[in-house]
Amino acid sequence: EVQLVESGGGLVQPGRSLKLSCAASGFTFSNYGMHWIRQAPTKGLEWVASISPSGGSTYYRDSVKGRFTISRDNAKSTLYLQMDSLRSEDTATYYCAMSRYFDYWGQGVMVTVSS
Amino acid sequence: DVVMTQTPPSLSVAIGQSVSISCKSSQSLVYSDGKTYLHWLLQSPGRSPKRLIYQVSNLGSGVPDRFSGTGSQKDFTLKISRVEAEDLGVYYCAQTTHFPDTFGAGTKLELK
Repeated sequence: EVQLVESGGGLVQPGRSLKLSCAASGFTFSNYGMHWIRQAPTKGLEWVASISPSGGSTYYRDSVKGRFTISRDNAKSTLYLQMDSLRSEDTATYYCAMSRYFDYWGQGVMVTVSS
Repeated sequence: DVVMTQTPPSLSVAIGQSVSISCKSSQSLVYSDGKTYLHWLLQSPGRSPKRLIYQVSNLGSGVPDRFSGTGSQKDFTLKISRVEAEDLGVYYCAQTTHFPDTFGAGTKLELK
């Protein structure tokens, strides 16, 4: 059974950092591109970042470029999102999702940026 | 960015009724490999999104055949035949043909 389990969320002050993790199981993690997608409270879905299966290629939405870093550890089957210089508009539930076809999603982790 | 326009924004249905949701993209979603990367997701209340249909018309594993997807180029439709209570929630179309991936605003399916 495929499982994606996010962790690392919480309440953080503007300008501070947070690192999210997504632990994958039930499939060969190193074979799939992965994504981070977020959903602000009562809003729709917004793609944040993606990474290739090897980790050699990464992609970001403009509003997080230079502040967020997506990475992966294929030996640990884990996806990461390092979020620096956080802003109030980054407040959202963050989901990790598998593949170009969005095959599976994690349960999400809440990030609240507030003073 | 490719804009995905979903209609209607909400639908009120009775159990057993059939419904359709439209999704139109601002550009053709046919990729250079000839495939169309248009997918449909359902977010049930309080849950994370679940992929229902991929590449326009392919049913995901375990998804009932009451769901069907059609369309091409820029115009796509999700049809639900004989709505059941477990189908309620917000439906999103999503495209992964063009960078960046984009989503429709969602269609909320509620009980009448």
